[in-house]
Amino acid sequence: QSALTQPASVSGSPGQSITISCTGTTSDVGGYNYVSWYQQHPGKAPKLIIYEVSNRPSGVSNRFSGSKSGNTASLTISGLQAEDEADYYCRSFASGSTPVVFGGGTKLTVL
Amino acid sequence: EVQLVESGGGLVQPGGSLRLSCVPSGFTFSRFWMSWVRQAPGKGLEWVASTNPDGSERYYVDSVKGRFTISRDNAKNSLYLQMNSLRAEDTAVYYCARNWHYAFDLWGQGTLVTVSS
Repeated sequence: QSALTQPASVSGSPGQSITISCTGTTSDVGGYNYVSWYQQHPGKAPKLIIYEVSNRPSGVSNRFSGSKSGNTASLTISGLQAEDEADYYCRSFASGSTPVVFGGGTKLTVL
Repeated sequence: EVQLVESGGGLVQPGGSLRLSCVPSGFTFSRFWMSWVRQAPGKGLEWVASTNPDGSERYYVDSVKGRFTISRDNAKNSLYLQMNSLRAEDTAVYYCARNWHYAFDLWGQGTLVTVSS
């Protein structure tokens, strides 16, 4: 069981927007602005797409955006494209014995 | 080119040991926290261990404490993960990752560790 809760799957049509949620507690997502998001295509290494809740690394499309409210962080992908089909993981800093926690991952299907 | 390259994975029997290596290039390795993250077949990402720039601080997920050791040699530009008392549940692709702004901004291609008799 993952420390952070994500929906197992989401889907959308090309051009639409989707949002993936990542729910934790006050000890991780809610307590710190250190949520990051990763995109992983099959057989590839993960790629950082959002850090510190809402910042995009250089080179990442502005179609990806992040936000947080309370204990839940969200990743929004606008203008869905076929290449966005992948697994997405959230990650947060956490207090306690495990300082890094991941969500279980969400499979995005572009219909 | 900025990259991380892992090596050392393979097939090992339960109870055995393995040492993974990660060699960085294209950036000043000694300035960054570094981590190992694993992914069991068909499963999600799991953080395994992290170390600070000079190697004096080390943190581990509970399931590997006492069995795995993360270390680094900044003079040799290398990160290591010594894995002892391996179990079937340690079977995974192990990624080396660079820490940046409380995120992992650079990942290696991964090395597969299979624990099986």
